[in-house]
Amino acid sequence: QKEVEQDPGPLSVPEGAIVSLNCTYSNSAFQYFMWYRQYSRKGPELLMYTYSSGNKEDGRFTAQVDKSSKYISLFIRDSQPSDSATYLCAMSGTGRRALTFGSGTRLQVQP
Amino acid sequence: DTEVTQTPKHLVMGMTNKKSLKCEQHMGHRAMYWYKQKAKKPPELMFVYSYEKLSINESVPSRFSPECPNSSLLNLHLHALQPEDSALYLCASSQGGEAPNLFFGSGTQLSVL
Repeated sequence: QKEVEQDPGPLSVPEGAIVSLNCTYSNSAFQYFMWYRQYSRKGPELLMYTYSSGNKEDGRFTAQVDKSSKYISLFIRDSQPSDSATYLCAMSGTGRRALTFGSGTRLQVQP
Repeated sequence: DTEVTQTPKHLVMGMTNKKSLKCEQHMGHRAMYWYKQKAKKPPELMFVYSYEKLSINESVPSRFSPECPNSSLLNLHLHALQPEDSALYLCASSQGGEAPNLFFGSGTQLSVL
């Protein structure tokens, strides 16, 4: 079993839809949770960063962490064609600086 | 300046060549990273430098040799690579300490012939 599981998609939605992206994980030591957006042949761009459980909102993006269920989510409101990209969840525990990535979900927003 | 700059953006090299990838950041970050990413796969960690010292080496073959000349610069020296080493090589930096939120460069797309 992988430490971090993420549905690879592709996920196709119409413009304006609410998008829900999710990851599950098995390592209870994970404390830091991140979402990255990656366009083709470009480096990942940090979208959201959360420490421990809870919600965080930034514009059209909301990140949720439920440590009791080992489940994290990213919601995108009013999705735009420019949101079409691969979304990677990533997480890390205390004492280890390196990230463990999910496999990425490819999102397509249709105009 | 919130950028991590990588050069070159594209590199084609033969198996007998020696080349170097360069990375620069001016955010005052004290940790720098090299990742390798194959198509449709997540990034894989290669090396971590913390305060200019190599702190993690993920059992990377010796044909990849990292170097951190100062806190703003990170190099990856390449020698005698194999075609399967063709990938996107990503540099990243973070503040150091506990917070591991990494900022990535755009990467170097490497092709080994």
